[in-house]
Order: sequence, then structure tokens, then C-alpha cells
Amino acid sequence: AQRVTQPEKLLSVFKGAPVELKCNYSYSGSPELFWYVQYSRQRLQLLLRHISRESIKGFTADLNKGETSFHLKKPFAQEEDSAMYYCALRRNDYKLSFGAGTTVTVRA
Amino acid sequence: GAGVSQSPSNKVTEKGKDVELRCDPISGHTALYWYRQSLGQGLEFLIYFQGNSAPDKSGLPSDRFSAERTGGSVSTLTIQRTQQEDSAVYLCASSLDNGEAFFGQGTRLTVV
Repeated sequence: AQRVTQPEKLLSVFKGAPVELKCNYSYSGSPELFWYVQYSRQRLQLLLRHISRESIKGFTADLNKGETSFHLKKPFAQEEDSAMYYCALRRNDYKLSFGAGTTVTVRA
Repeated sequence: GAGVSQSPSNKVTEKGKDVELRCDPISGHTALYWYRQSLGQGLEFLIYFQGNSAPDKSGLPSDRFSAERTGGSVSTLTIQRTQQEDSAVYLCASSLDNGEAFFGQGTRLTVV
């Protein structure tokens, strides 16, 4: 079995402040981890994946296998970052599971 | 290039009726996923397909829910004898085995 945990349902930060969204997982195999984002009235879309190790829209996420975490970070939040963020895990058999999601609000 | 398409976009049905939700994945995508999105509940996994086979049906909430995929393409999620607690947005996604999952716009189901 696998589990993805996002402990924060809501996160509110001021523009220009750092933001960190927590994600912890449990899985006995070698997972692939993702962050997906859903902006208002848009489809859910990929933000980044751990194997790419790239920064998208200023966001980064590092897979920490020791702590089984894949936290999403951005040093300076922007108002356009307000959205729903989902952490996801894909198993070796390609099943893709999501966490409960975190709603981020960036205030001016 | 078409993305993942779901129909209908909205469906209002009476309690006890059956509904069929359709998903047209991106051509060539081997994996197809169904999720349910409820307010405050996040993305609940329902079922996924590899080709026409469903290796994991563990997320289907009850035996009133079923899904099939034909020709490695279109998938249909059927809910029989709908209940009010079935009201939610049903999302479909498709991907290549190791690729990014692309989502449809969802079907908003309201059971009255």
C-alpha cells in the first residue's frame, strides 16, 4: 500500500514571503513523486516531478528518502501562486495516488 | 492536439438513477485514471487502467461503481442507483507509463 500525506489543508502567506507545502509519503518500493497544481477554474496540471530536479515558476522540491518527504518550496510567493496544490506518488505498477491537497492563498 | 476530454461537463440526476461518465484520453496513452474530487476531501483514487485491464479497483466506493475501457482508449465510469453522497467532480487523467498525467476538465455530478 502507499499513502501521501499533506498535513496542511490551508496555507496563507503574504506576497514576497517564503512558502513551504509539506508532503510525506509511505511506500515500500521506489516511488516517483510529483506536485500538481490547480488554479481557479483550470484543469489540474503538473507543476514538477522529482526526477526532473528542475525549478518551475520558482518552485523547487527535493525528495528526501530518509524522511520520506517531498516538500514544495518557493522563496518569494506571488499572488498568482494562489491555487490548490496536490502531492502525488506513482508506484512501480503505475498507480498514481494523491494527497488531500493544500489550498494556498497569497495575500498582497 | 486534443487533450483529455470528459463528457458530460455537468450532470444532474435523480437519486436512484444510473449515470455514465465518459473519458476520452490522449491518443496513445496507455494509463488511464479515474478520481473523485469532493470539497475538503482532495483527490480520491477510484480505479486505473493499463491498456484495457484494471490492475487496481480498490478505490471504487461500492459495487454500484464500475468502469471499463475499450480498445485501449475510451473509458466509461458507471454509477448505478446514484445516492446523494455520490455528488462530486469526477476527474479522468491519462499518461504514458512513465509520463506526466494529463487531466480532463471533469464531470460535475449532482444527485438530487
